[in-house]
Amino acid sequence: GAVVSQHPSRVICKSGTSVKIECRSLDFQATTMFWYRQFPKKSLMLMATSNEGSKATYEQGVEKDKFLINHASLTLSTLTVTSAHPEDSSFYICSAPRTGQGETQYFGPGTRLLVL
Amino acid sequence: GDSVTQMEGPVTLSEEAFLTINCTYTATGYPSLFWYVQYPGEGLQLLLKATKADDKGSNKGFEATYRKETTSFHLEKGSVQVSDSAVYFCAPQGGSEKLVFGKGTKLTVNP
Repeated sequence: GAVVSQHPSRVICKSGTSVKIECRSLDFQATTMFWYRQFPKKSLMLMATSNEGSKATYEQGVEKDKFLINHASLTLSTLTVTSAHPEDSSFYICSAPRTGQGETQYFGPGTRLLVL
Repeated sequence: GDSVTQMEGPVTLSEEAFLTINCTYTATGYPSLFWYVQYPGEGLQLLLKATKADDKGSNKGFEATYRKETTSFHLEKGSVQVSDSAVYFCAPQGGSEKLVFGKGTKLTVNP
């Protein structure tokens, strides 16, 4: 079946540093990927849509300069949390729809970010 | 914009009990409807889906029927197992492929 991976699975960083999270579609090409943030005991909040070859589309209230998204290839999207602060600590999840799979999206396992 | 209201948990049941998790949505047009499941320590997985009115999605003994008249997509299972313990998310999907997630319902099944 389709697989989406994320790296790293967990990261701890100091406040003020930047952290890059990778999302890869392992056996299919994805022109679009989605980035979500999941708070404890809360639902997933869509942050942005990553588009291969063009700029990402951000949801209302999400800071573009804070959460940089680059869709470098048809199998890779990266989310960079710039100048991270403790309030950025969260669980970040990506997903990718697979063409021909009836709109089904495949989710990565998530990345736990802890900013100290 | 699209939104979804999902029964909040937690829900605790004994093995072989009947499960219903309610989900209602608001959306423009006719979205596809999904239930995703997140097992402890794992990523979200598609459980079942329905793409048009009156369709019934089913998988692993779970069922949900796309009810346009009541804008609902309730999840049911006749006899739950301990292995069904997880968090369940209802999610409509519009034309832009964006999923709108409910808050999730944590299910715990005790032996």
